[in-house]
Amino acid sequence: DAKTTQPPSMDCAEGRAANLPCNHSTISGNEYVYWYRQIHSQGPQYIIHGLKNNETNEMASLIITEDRKSSTLILPHATLRDTAVYYCIALPGGTSYGKLTFGQGTILTVHP
Amino acid sequence: EAGVTQSPTHLIKTRGQQATLRCSPISGHTSVYWYQQALGLGLQFLLWYDEGEERNRGNFPPRFSGRQFPNYSSELNVNALELEDSALYLCASSSVGQFTGELFFGEGSRLTVL
Repeated sequence: DAKTTQPPSMDCAEGRAANLPCNHSTISGNEYVYWYRQIHSQGPQYIIHGLKNNETNEMASLIITEDRKSSTLILPHATLRDTAVYYCIALPGGTSYGKLTFGQGTILTVHP
Repeated sequence: EAGVTQSPTHLIKTRGQQATLRCSPISGHTSVYWYQQALGLGLQFLLWYDEGEERNRGNFPPRFSGRQFPNYSSELNVNALELEDSALYLCASSSVGQFTGELFFGEGSRLTVL
């Protein structure tokens, strides 16, 4: 699985867009980019995933660069409840033997 | 719809004892995954069960074992507990046997080994 690199921490003002970057320069053609978040003392929560097209759901948008070497998770209107650790994971399509490789993630702090 | 449920929420054991953690997946989900989150080590994949069979195992010693029951619930057993087994143990489930990456996690069971 490709290694991903994320900044250790970021801040965002409430109501503003939070843009969380992820570098995955060694990603292969069949690897998807997944995003999860973990609010303190809770289990991780799936947010969104994509292969090469931009994706949007009710939680967030995922922008993947054309060369697929990096991506950005966008929370359009951050709230205090979005304060969490955000994980970017590169995962091969098809059978990956059940294993998500979580790195250290980005601690996003949303300020009032 | 009920999410993934885990029990107990907290468990305190002493070194050398055995711990048993339980997980009920979302209704209709056949795959169950176990992860360990120890302080400073992040989330580590432990085990994957699907349709009652162990499909994959992470880099953990054999004293970490588990099983999946016919109703798809699962148990994680940790034998001969060591201090470093203190961690949050998370269970997740998914709806298909072929892993897709979209997992639904429970709130975890916090194991403390004294």
